[in-house]
Amino acid sequence: KQEVTQIPAALSVPEGENLVLNCSFTDSAIYNLQWFRQDPGKGLTSLLLIQSSQREQTSGRLNASLDKSSGRSTLYIAASQPGDSATYLCAVKTGANNLFFGTGTRLTVIP
Amino acid sequence: DAGVIQSPRHEVTEMGQEVTLRCKPISGHDYLFWYRQTMMRGLELLIYFNNNVPIDDSGMPEDRFSAKMPNASFSTLKIQPSEPRDSAVYFCASSLGGTGLHTQYFGPGTRLTVL
Repeated sequence: KQEVTQIPAALSVPEGENLVLNCSFTDSAIYNLQWFRQDPGKGLTSLLLIQSSQREQTSGRLNASLDKSSGRSTLYIAASQPGDSATYLCAVKTGANNLFFGTGTRLTVIP
Repeated sequence: DAGVIQSPRHEVTEMGQEVTLRCKPISGHDYLFWYRQTMMRGLELLIYFNNNVPIDDSGMPEDRFSAKMPNASFSTLKIQPSEPRDSAVYFCASSLGGTGLHTQYFGPGTRLTVL
């Protein structure tokens, strides 16, 4: 069974810093990997989706990379802002149309 | 588009009662997913439908859980009888196409508390 791990579980940074969130998965046979944001008491918002054939995707201050062979992905957030404070989840999609989620990294950006 | 709509947003019930959660997917989406999120286990896929037909229900924890999708715009997840360990946030998501190309759009979730 696919297992997805996110490190660190929580992270606090001062405003303006660049930061990296990590995601690792055990089975490299994936269709894609997705990064989500979850605000307290809210649903999930899709941030970036990387197909298995791609190496990275960028959206604004966010950049996600994928190294399928090593089972790793990173989410890079540039010039962090207090509004970036949330829990970030990565999820990998298998051929069974299933999404396996990591437990998330809780990010706090301190003004 | 209004996005995925779930109701109720919060539900508090007593052990043994029947609970019904509702979901309206994004119009035109042909896949619908039900997830459960707990602190201990994170997000887990319970069941998903394609064109109103259940495809994989292997994530449904036990027979007390059932899900239906009578038409393309409505789905229910029912728990009968409910137990305290069912307390969680239940998310519904929909997508257009089930290949690796398509992202899933999540609803705001239903927070269920079983006393």
